Amino acid sequence: GAVVSQHPSWVICKSGTSVKIECRSLDFQATTMFWYRQFPKQSLMLMATSNEGSKATYEQGVEKDKFLINHASLTLSTLTVTSAHPEDSSFYICSAPRVTGGTEAFFGQGTRLTVV
Amino acid sequence: QKEVEQNSGPLSVPEGAIASLNCTYSDRGSQSFFWYRQYSGKSPELIMSIYSNGDKEDGRFTAQLNKASQYVSLLIRDSQPSDSATYLCAVNKDSNYQLIWGAGTKLIIKP
Repeated sequence: GAVVSQHPSWVICKSGTSVKIECRSLDFQATTMFWYRQFPKQSLMLMATSNEGSKATYEQGVEKDKFLINHASLTLSTLTVTSAHPEDSSFYICSAPRVTGGTEAFFGQGTRLTVV
Repeated sequence: QKEVEQNSGPLSVPEGAIASLNCTYSDRGSQSFFWYRQYSGKSPELIMSIYSNGDKEDGRFTAQLNKASQYVSLLIRDSQPSDSATYLCAVNKDSNYQLIWGAGTKLIIKP
């Protein structure tokens, strides 16, 4: 079964509004989670690294004031897209590494965001 | 040079044949290697992980790692139409859990 749960799976919002996406690790603790964005027919693009109890680390070109990340517990990270615009429409995916001998990353189901 | 390189494809393979997917990486210090499968509109799903040189088999899937050549591959035996997807190679080179991703190879299994 899924080890990382992401919610909602899809959302439609109006321009200028904010949308919150949740990512939960279900049976393990994740001090680190990753947020990706993927446009159609393109590869995953890492947006930011979410760190429990500290500030997120954003990749170059990603606006930290627009994409707010909160990692308040060892099992939950949230991404809030603030003042969304149509160009923010994309597939947002979170992942969490789980250490089991090696370190494997498990992905949430993804959130399809459409801004109208 | 990209850190992790894959042929974007599409790679077309007849049903029942062996599909061979390749990936090269640039950092010799890389420690962990992963293959993910991504269906259109879905998030990636872990298929195989490999950490040491040689082959690792799991059902119809075999991952092969050659650190000297900085090369990792995925073989899919008895390919099925349901194997049609984009296959992503990912490499972890340090202890911060961050994966470096290839762009993915689109695999098409033709009935």
